[in-house]
Parts: sequence; C-alpha cells; structure tokens
Amino acid sequence: GQQVMQIPQYQHVQEGEDFTTYCNSSTTLSNIQWYKQRPGGHPVFLIQLVKSGEVKKQKRLTFQFGEAKKNSSLHITATQTTDVGTYFCAGGNTGKLIFGQGTTLQVKP
Amino acid sequence: KAGVTQTPRYLIKTRGQQVTLSCSPISGHRSVSWYQQTPGQGLQFLFEYFSETQRNKGNFPGRFSGRQFSNSRSEMNVSTLELGDSALYLCASSLGLSSYEQYFGPGTRLTVT
Repeated sequence: GQQVMQIPQYQHVQEGEDFTTYCNSSTTLSNIQWYKQRPGGHPVFLIQLVKSGEVKKQKRLTFQFGEAKKNSSLHITATQTTDVGTYFCAGGNTGKLIFGQGTTLQVKP
Repeated sequence: KAGVTQTPRYLIKTRGQQVTLSCSPISGHRSVSWYQQTPGQGLQFLFEYFSETQRNKGNFPGRFSGRQFSNSRSEMNVSTLELGDSALYLCASSLGLSSYEQYFGPGTRLTVT
C-alpha cells in the first residue's frame, strides 16, 4: 500500500541553527500537507502544497513540493525554542491522507 | 468558532472490554476522520466519514468501527480490547474530504490493562 516516509526521525539542533525534514511517498500525491504537534498537544495544520515544484514560505519556514509530486521538505531557518515539536507530512492520494512518522525537533537554547 | 471536541479525554479499560469514543467536529464541517497515534507507529489512519457515509478506511481489524450522525458528530467503537490498542485516538474534522486541512481534537488517551 501507499507509504509516506519521513526522515530524520529525531533532530537535535542548537538554537539559531537550521533544520530540514524530508518526506517521501511511494506513489504520486495529489497534495501534501504539513502539521506541527507540540509536546502533549495535537497536530495543527501548517500548510498545503498542491502544485508540482511549489514553494511556500511562512516566516522562517519554507515548504517545497517536488517536481514529481512524490517528495516534500520543510526547512526552518534559525530555529527558536518555540519550534520544538514533531513535524508531520501527510500525503493525499485516492481520497486518503497518509501521515509520515514525523520528525521530532529538539532545540537547545 | 468552537474547535473539535472529544470525549472522554482519558479512559482505562480492561482487555476484552469494548469502548466508544465520541467526536464533535467544528460547526459546518462534514468530514470526520479518526487516527490512532502511538509512539512506535506514528499517526495511523482509521477511517473517514462524510455525510454519514464511510468514505475511506485504513488497515485496522474489524474490531474498530465507527459511524457518523446527521449532525456530523462521530463515534468510534473498539470491541474486544487488546493491550496493543492503548494509544491516543485523535479525531479530525474538515470542510470536505481529506484533501482539505484537518482540524484535530485534543484526543482520547485510551489505556488497556
């Protein structure tokens, strides 16, 4: 069945360093969504990408959707302690939304 | 606008019992999806309901079932509970089917002993 793989599983960075998480699907996606889950919280929608090669920015966060619509990335510039949490990608295909395993980001002040 | 609510928030059950979890979506949202979240498996899709019809189903055994009512509220039932069913069960609502952004509730933490 369709799989969405996310790497790395964990990332520890010093505050101010950059961070990137990658998402890869075994099949072509109709869209990709990104969510953030703070410790003890629930996933919160960040953004959706639909077009091949699409790039969207939200302040220090940059989201990309691959040309083949099978991969995506989230890049955070100059991390802050408020960025701590688990970032999930979710690929849409055949009406289902399949979540990746998530990347847990720890930021050392 | 009120967010997605789930009841109960915490539940402790014994193996073999059954459990029913409830989800009230955001007003106007017609789609409700259920997910199981565990440390080892991440977010696993259970099923999605739209206008009282199950539109999609994940790879879970038949012990997991759900339904949606005419007011879009949804319930999820797990029968013959197993230890491995211990997890955080999240409900998410959206305007349309799962291609729309999902608004998650706080979840129900189920512990099976």
